Amino acid sequence: QKEVEQNSGPLSVPEGAIASLNCTYSDRGSQSFFWYRQYSGKSPELIMFIYSNGDKEDGRFTAQLNKASQYVSLLIRDSQPSDSATYLCAVPRGGADGLTFGKGTHLIIQP
Amino acid sequence: EAGVAQSPRYKIIEKRQSVAFWCNPISGHATLYWYQQILGQGPKLLIQFQNNGVVDDSQLPKDRFSAERLKGVDSTLKIQPAKLEDSAVYLCASSLRRVTDTQYFGPGTRLTVL
Repeated sequence: QKEVEQNSGPLSVPEGAIASLNCTYSDRGSQSFFWYRQYSGKSPELIMFIYSNGDKEDGRFTAQLNKASQYVSLLIRDSQPSDSATYLCAVPRGGADGLTFGKGTHLIIQP
Repeated sequence: EAGVAQSPRYKIIEKRQSVAFWCNPISGHATLYWYQQILGQGPKLLIQFQNNGVVDDSQLPKDRFSAERLKGVDSTLKIQPAKLEDSAVYLCASSLRRVTDTQYFGPGTRLTVL
């Protein structure tokens, strides 16, 4: 049974700072990793996916993957109040394409 | 491009009653997922369809939950009879084919079981 662990927070970050969100996973065989953002009362939306060790950058977002340590992180540079949301880490269940999600980290950007 | 459609958006029922949710995926998306999201938790996969075949239903409580995807397009998820612990948001998602294809989520159906 694959598991994904996240600190539920809340994580409070001042506007303009870097927000760092972390996720650990149990299955060493996991190949790809997803970060979803979920605003309160809304459905999740994909913001990043990564499948290679190292960093992947997309605008203000950077995903970092370390397979040896079994963690994946999401950095948000120049944090904005609109980044306040719950960030969900997910991995494929294996053998199929459905995702196993963590509980999510609630991020609050303070103006 | 129209997104994933779900109905109803909200439903309140008494325990032991039955309820059904409907989902219409993005046109052309072969894969359809139903997730259950309990307050304060991440979504949990209930069932995955590839066209009209079931790929993964290992986490579906089959004694009370059922789902179908007729003609490989829209899908219904049914709960009969409902329990208090079924109170959650039921999310439908679709993707083109594989796991690396983005899963697009619908707005969800918020179910309250009293």
